[in-house]
Amino acid sequence: AQSVTQLGSHVSVSEGALVLLRCNYSSSVPPYLFWYVQYPNQGLQLLLKYTTGATLVKGINGFEAEFKKSETSFHLTKPSAHMSDAAEYFCAVSGPGGGADGLTFGKGTHLIIQP
Amino acid sequence: KAGVTQTPRYLIKTRGQQVTLSCSPISGHRSVSWYQQTPGQGLQFLFEYFSETQRNKGNFPGRFSGRQFSNSRSEMNVSTLELGDSALYLCASTVDSSYNEQFFGPGTRLTVL
Repeated sequence: AQSVTQLGSHVSVSEGALVLLRCNYSSSVPPYLFWYVQYPNQGLQLLLKYTTGATLVKGINGFEAEFKKSETSFHLTKPSAHMSDAAEYFCAVSGPGGGADGLTFGKGTHLIIQP
Repeated sequence: KAGVTQTPRYLIKTRGQQVTLSCSPISGHRSVSWYQQTPGQGLQFLFEYFSETQRNKGNFPGRFSGRQFSNSRSEMNVSTLELGDSALYLCASTVDSSYNEQFFGPGTRLTVL
């Protein structure tokens, strides 16, 4: 069985500061890992994904994440926060079957940007 | 290319009724998955359809069912609604079942009174 743990249901940072959202996973098979963002009253938008290959993954809107197998982590970072980054962020894992396996999501982290 | 569309966007039902939600995937996508999002349980996988066949199912009671049509459009049905079924129901599509990037629709907000 797969599981995802996101540390911190709420994270608050100042505009221009580093954003760090933590995600740890457990999986019995090599995982596919994802970060999604959800704005109010909207669906989920893919920020970035890791399947195989390079462990540092760059996504949209200046976000990136690093897959660390030894730590079973896939933390999301952005060097400088912008007010428009305020949203709910979800880390997710799936098996090699991709869509057929379904995504297992973490509980989400609400990112608050302080002016 | 148009994104994933879901109808209706909002729905209010009473306990005991049934409801059908619709999802139109991105053109060319053959796999459709459904998720339930609630404040307490978060995002949970309901089921996935590919080429009109259910390939995988999450841990939900039999009151939750779905189907997929030959044009890849999908519907999910919830019978005998309970208060706890109030949730945002999200549909996601992918190119095929082995492709891992899922594209989500805006969701249908179901309120059960």
